[in-house]
Amino acid sequence: SAVISQKPSRDICQRGTSLTIQCQVDSQVTMMFWYRQQPGQSLTLIATANQGSEATYESGFVIDKFPISRPNLTFSTLTVSNMSPEDSSIYLCSVSGQLNYGYTFGSGTRLTVV
Amino acid sequence: GESVGLHLPTLSVQEGDNSIINCAYSNSASDYFIWYKQESGKGPQFIIDIRSNMDKRQGQRVTVLLNKTVKHLSLQIAATQPGDSAVYFCAELPQGSGGYQKVTFGTGTKLQVIP
Repeated sequence: SAVISQKPSRDICQRGTSLTIQCQVDSQVTMMFWYRQQPGQSLTLIATANQGSEATYESGFVIDKFPISRPNLTFSTLTVSNMSPEDSSIYLCSVSGQLNYGYTFGSGTRLTVV
Repeated sequence: GESVGLHLPTLSVQEGDNSIINCAYSNSASDYFIWYKQESGKGPQFIIDIRSNMDKRQGQRVTVLLNKTVKHLSLQIAATQPGDSAVYFCAELPQGSGGYQKVTFGTGTKLQVIP
């Protein structure tokens, strides 16, 4: 399966600022996704990062708050904009190759907003 | 590291005993199911999967059972070890014509292995 490198692994940020999280995969993958995992909870899909086009956002998530880039088949970024303490979560990158249903996850970015 | 299982249901099991983790899924159209293990400070790790045309699948020390009638999934871990301590999530995917289908995660269960 693909190996995912996610950076930063953790950060403490001031409210009102923005943080960009990077996801690098060691092989080309068809699909890349961004999830949020709030403390003590399950994973919620934020959006699907589409190569060469705008990301597809899930209900409750908008591009202005979570802009996503995917310039190629091995890299994506998620920005958490204008942060508030409610954005404190673990953010996870996930990938799936075509017809590969064993979705692989990065180790996550633990974000604390103060 | 900080636990992700602060508010999750917890299952405590004696080392060496068998563990059974249950999951009720919501979508009767779901076609494919995955169990993930998430250790503290790490992302979810694939354990085992099963398709809806099966009711049982075995791996190394793990077995997944699927009951489509009551939309229930279980993960059985044989001879539970301290390294099995983690949060376990079930995930479901709907039927589709191929390619990506949205993965929906269950609420998760924290497994604590007592030495």
